[in-house]
Amino acid sequence: DSGVTQTPKHLITATGQRVTLRCSPRSGDLSVYWYQQSLDQGLQFLIHYYNGEERAKGNILERFSAQQFPDLHSELNLSSLELGDSALYFCASSVAAGGYNEQFFGPGTRLTVL
Amino acid sequence: DAKTTQPNSMESNEEEPVHLPCNHSTISGTDYIHWYRQLPSQGPEYVIHGLTSNVNNRMASLAIAEDRKSSTLILHRATLRDAAVYYCILRSTSTSTGANSKLTFGKGITLSVRP
Repeated sequence: DSGVTQTPKHLITATGQRVTLRCSPRSGDLSVYWYQQSLDQGLQFLIHYYNGEERAKGNILERFSAQQFPDLHSELNLSSLELGDSALYFCASSVAAGGYNEQFFGPGTRLTVL
Repeated sequence: DAKTTQPNSMESNEEEPVHLPCNHSTISGTDYIHWYRQLPSQGPEYVIHGLTSNVNNRMASLAIAEDRKSSTLILHRATLRDAAVYYCILRSTSTSTGANSKLTFGKGITLSVRP
C-alpha cells in the first residue's frame, strides 16, 4: 500500500459525459502528479501540482483539467469524453517537487467510455 | 528529456539473479537514473535510483557505468512476484522547474520469471 488513494476504482460512462477522478496523496506529500496509461500510448504524464499550484503540464487535453485543494487532495476533471479517453488514470504524490524525489503511485482509476 | 533504451523483454528463473540493462547515452551530468516497476494490475512503484555510484536497497542493486551511459538493475534472487514491467527513467536534479520532476516512461522491459 503506497498511501495514495484514488476513487473511484472503476468508472463506466458514455461519450460526451463529464467525470471527476479524485486523489488523496500520502500524508505530508505536497506534490501530486496525474498520469494516463493506455494500451497505445503507454504511461504519459498529464499534470503536476505542488502545494495547490500548477507546476507543469504534459500531454493533457484541453477537455481535461485538474486542481489541488488546500487539504492537498487533487481532482482530475475529464469532459466531453471520447472513446479514446478510456484508460487507466494514476495519481502519484511526492514530498516535494524536485527531480530526485520518489513518487508514490495510487492504484489507479480505470475509465471506460462507451 | 534524455532518452533511455531497454530490451523489450527478459526471462529469468526463480531464485536466480536477474540483470536488467538500460542504455542512456545522452545522459547529462544533472540526471539521476531512476528505476520503477509496474506489477500486473497495479500502479508503478519506485525501485531504486542513483547518480554516479552503485546503490543497494532492500529491493535491488543499481550498477552505474563509469561513463554513466548505461546502468543495470540487479535483482539478486528473482521471485515470481518480481514479474513486472521495469522502467529505467532519467530525471534532472534541478529543483527549480516543475517540469523536471515528471516521470517520462518508455516502454520498459517486461520481466517474466519461470518457477
